[in-house]
This record gives sequence, structure tokens and C-alpha cells, in this order.
Amino acid sequence: DAGVIQSPRHEVTEMGQEVTLRCKPISGHDYLFWYRQTMMRGLELLIYFNNNVPIDDSGMPEDRFSAKMPNASFSTLKIQPSEPRDSAVYFCASSRPRTEVNTEAFFGQGTRLTVV
Amino acid sequence: GNSVTQMEGPVTLSEEAFLTINCTYTATGYPSLFWYVQYPGEGLQLLLKATKADDKGSNKGFEATYRKETTSFHLEKGSVQVSDSAVYFCALIHVPNTGNQFYFGTGTSLTVIP
Repeated sequence: DAGVIQSPRHEVTEMGQEVTLRCKPISGHDYLFWYRQTMMRGLELLIYFNNNVPIDDSGMPEDRFSAKMPNASFSTLKIQPSEPRDSAVYFCASSRPRTEVNTEAFFGQGTRLTVV
Repeated sequence: GNSVTQMEGPVTLSEEAFLTINCTYTATGYPSLFWYVQYPGEGLQLLLKATKADDKGSNKGFEATYRKETTSFHLEKGSVQVSDSAVYFCALIHVPNTGNQFYFGTGTSLTVIP
């Protein structure tokens, strides 16, 4: 398997523009997570899905952020409108069905977002 | 609630020095514990894990033992290399639980100098 695939790897956009980040989880993983990483706040969980259904979105910072998972192989994180303080690295991760022995999360390479 | 606390960095060591990065956790029941490593410009990769008390996870010369009595999962390596320079994250997942959320520490940056 190719692992968790995120696109784009880098995104530079102007303040006020819409940004869409994409993620393809590992096949067979039914949990998908979106994280944001900054120097100031470290690694923050934004939202996670189970079987394409959002389970906990309490980490989504504002209504400007939205996430969808239309099917088991694709998820998007959208920011509209974007602001400079949204600049960060956004990671997608996926994990297998919850068991005691194989619950580790597999991370994508991340999308580095810069809002100018 | 569940949480992970790890020692703050940055940590700078000379090559072949002994490494310890402390990690303690708070959780009800019996969580699974993980160490992840993040190399510059990359995502987090699983380094090792332990799923029950007294388990020892090991990989690439790194070790960590799940100590329920001290709620700790300290990362150790006997002789670090320059290539070990990275950020290390301690994490837990509580199984079983109502969700599947991973709880990460703040990360510890390690720099190994020749």
C-alpha cells in the first residue's frame, strides 16, 4: 500500500481565498483524522471520522473550517475564507478498526499551507 | 481525561550518547502507548508501541517499557546517531473507549551532533 496520500504538499494562497486539502487514507482503515501542526500549538486534532461519519469535530477552530468524507477513500479539509493565522502543516492520518494490537495511526506527509 | 506529558526540549546530544525522553500519561483503564518520530519535512512515523503493562516496545535501537505503576513510557536509546535527529512524540489511545482518539504529547526535539 502507498500509505496515506495527501495533496498538495505545499499550498500558498492569499488571505480570503478558499483552500481545499485532500487525503486518501490507507485502504481498509475506517478511521481518518485531520491534525494541524504549528510551532506555537504543537499537534492539534481537528476532526476525525469513523466509517465516513464525523465523530468528533470539537477541534475545528472556527466555522471557516469544514471537513467531509464522501467515501472510504477520500476526505477533504476546506478553509473558507483563509487567514494568515491558518498557516500551518496539516496532516491526515488513518487507522484500522479499533483492536488492542493494531490501533496505530499512519500519517501522510502533510500539506504545508501558507496564507499571505 | 486522557493526556500525555513529555519532557520539553530541545535536547542536544553528542553522537553515541545515551538518550532518555520522559513520557507520563493520564488515562483510565489500560491505554495503548506509542512513540512516533517526525523527521524534518515529513509526517509522523510509528517508532514503537506497547499495548499492555510491562510490555517493552523496541525498534531501531530505541526501547520503551509500559510502566503502569508509574504511568510512564520513557524512550531510551543506548547510543544515538546523527540520523536520530528528529522530533519525538509520545502518544496514547484508550482501548476500549467511546472513541478512537489519539492523544499526543507536545513533542521533544532531538539534535545529535557529530
